[in-house]
Amino acid sequence: GAVVSQHPSWVICKSGTSVKIECRSLDFQATTMFWYRQFPKQSLMLMATSNEGSKATYEQGVEKDKFLINHASLTLSTLTVTSAHPEDSSFYICSATPSGGTQYFGPGTRLTVL
Amino acid sequence: EDQVTQSPEALRLQEGESSSLNCSYTVSGLRGLFWYRQDPGKGPEFLFTLYSAGEEKEKERLKATLTKKESFLHITAPKPEDSATYLCAVQAVGGGATNKLIFGTGTLLAVQP
Repeated sequence: GAVVSQHPSWVICKSGTSVKIECRSLDFQATTMFWYRQFPKQSLMLMATSNEGSKATYEQGVEKDKFLINHASLTLSTLTVTSAHPEDSSFYICSATPSGGTQYFGPGTRLTVL
Repeated sequence: EDQVTQSPEALRLQEGESSSLNCSYTVSGLRGLFWYRQDPGKGPEFLFTLYSAGEEKEKERLKATLTKKESFLHITAPKPEDSATYLCAVQAVGGGATNKLIFGTGTLLAVQP
């Protein structure tokens, strides 16, 4: 149980384009979903927290107009990187939590911006 | 400020050589401490949650313990497939309903045959 999927697993795009990443909880309803990014050999950096049906809460220093988060249902959250640039290239990971606090992570999405 | 420190940064073991990873934490009030395993290019895989000092949990060759200041992940007779980065994270009381995790920087474990 507690399986979280992400799609796509990797994406390459041109600078200036937008990219959408989906995060789904497959066998539970997630009251809260989180989005992280991870640079090589570094730990996870929390970008934002989203609750179903409400606006996401962004961490300090994360541009909410650049990283659009939508949590339209209890099983789906999306992260859209708008007008992507090479410095946005990273490993993006989502997590979801049913009631209780434990976060279950997706497999991650590798974004490369050319 | 809530903080999590993991040591060592990297650990190389021979197959069968038992050892322990450390996670020290400073938090105003602990709601839970979590251990995850992360393989290269993948998302973290949940291992354990510990809630109170004295609690222990086991899974195969891994055992996690918790005190008021730190947690240990003991690895008994490791195998090469145990090689991964092990992440520790804490959840603080008073963090609201967000269940936010504070991560350490991880311990990179390499088990050689």
